[in-house]
Amino acid sequence: EDQVTQSPEALRLQEGESSSLNCSYTVSGLRGLFWYRQDPGKGPEFLFTLYSAGEEKEKERLKATLTKKESFLHITAPKPEDSATYLCAVQDRWGAQKLVFGQGTRLTINP
Amino acid sequence: DAGVIQSPRHEVTEMGQEVTLRCKPISGHDYLFWYRQTMMRGLELLIYFNNNVPIDDSGMPEDRFSAKMPNASFSTLKIQPSEPRDSAVYFCASSLGAASSYNSPLHFGNGTRLTVT
Repeated sequence: EDQVTQSPEALRLQEGESSSLNCSYTVSGLRGLFWYRQDPGKGPEFLFTLYSAGEEKEKERLKATLTKKESFLHITAPKPEDSATYLCAVQDRWGAQKLVFGQGTRLTINP
Repeated sequence: DAGVIQSPRHEVTEMGQEVTLRCKPISGHDYLFWYRQTMMRGLELLIYFNNNVPIDDSGMPEDRFSAKMPNASFSTLKIQPSEPRDSAVYFCASSLGAASSYNSPLHFGNGTRLTVT
């Protein structure tokens, strides 16, 4: 069964303090790993898709990387508006359109 | 583009009552998904449709849950009878083509917060 574990559950940083969020996964054959951002009272918003180990994607202050067992979401010089819950999800080669989500990391950036 | 539209935003009902949640996907999208989010279990896929046809309903928790998609622009998720453990946020999402396609991520609505007392 596909599993996704995110750590830490919550992270509080000062504005400008860089850090990384972790997503460890177990899947029989990875088709894609997805990162989403979720603001309170809103639905998840797509950030990145990674397909193979070694791949990296960047968007503003965020960079996602992928290995065979985990993915990292690096946040460089974050701002208060980066505060949100970040969700990781995997899709395996056999699960058709099913995405399995982790529990998320709740990130707070203090000004 | 208005995005995925869900209604109502909030629903409070008593145990045993029927609840119907509604979703309008993004125009032109051929996949529609229903997810449920709770603190304990996170986001779980309940059912998804392709071209209005249910493809996988293995995530539907019980026979009390049913979903329909009568046309490409409308879907419903019904719970009858509702129970307190059904309290959660229910999300609808749509995509154009396979979810793993670079150009076809899932687009989520803002959810319906269901409280069953």
